[in-house]
Amino acid sequence: GAVVSQHPSWVICKSGTSVKIECRSLDFQATTMFWYRQFPKQSLMLMATSNEGSKATYEQGVEKDKFLINHASLTLSTLTVTSAHPEDSSFYICSARMAGSSYEQYFGPGTRLTVT
Amino acid sequence: KQEVTQIPAALSVPEGENLVLNCSFTDSAIYNLQWFRQDPGKGLTSLLLIQSSQREQTSGRLNASLDKSSGRSTLYIAASQPGDSATYLCAVLYTGGFKTIFGAGTRLFVKA
Repeated sequence: GAVVSQHPSWVICKSGTSVKIECRSLDFQATTMFWYRQFPKQSLMLMATSNEGSKATYEQGVEKDKFLINHASLTLSTLTVTSAHPEDSSFYICSARMAGSSYEQYFGPGTRLTVT
Repeated sequence: KQEVTQIPAALSVPEGENLVLNCSFTDSAIYNLQWFRQDPGKGLTSLLLIQSSQREQTSGRLNASLDKSSGRSTLYIAASQPGDSATYLCAVLYTGGFKTIFGAGTRLFVKA
């Protein structure tokens, strides 16, 4: 089956620093990747959609200058949380969509970010 | 507004019981509907994907149905086990915008 990896799986950083999270599709090419954020005991909130080679489309209320997304290749997308603050602490999950008829999404294992 | 609602929010059942989780969506113009499982602190595991042209999908003890006209899907779990305890999320890919909208999930606890 299609596998999506995320790195790191957890990270602790100090307030004011930047953190980069990688999302990779390991055995397929992902024309579209998605970044979600999840608060405890809540569902997933879509942050942005990225297509390979083009700028990401951010959802309303998501600061594009704070959450930088780069989809450099068909197998890699990165999310950089810039100047992180404690309120950015959350669970970040990426997913990748394989081009094809099913449009099924495959999810990564998630990254737990804690900003101190 | 395109929304996805899941009922109940939480469910506790004894081991061995058959159970049904419900998902409703506001717009019938969907491409597909997907059921996921999420364990605490973990990512999502895809359970079943139903295309808009399909009525149901089955995998082991799981059966998911789709009724576009009524805007509903159900996930049936047969002979529940403690290992089934997790949060179950319903996600709908609407044709307009091709965004996947998630429900808030149903937290299931199966007691041994």
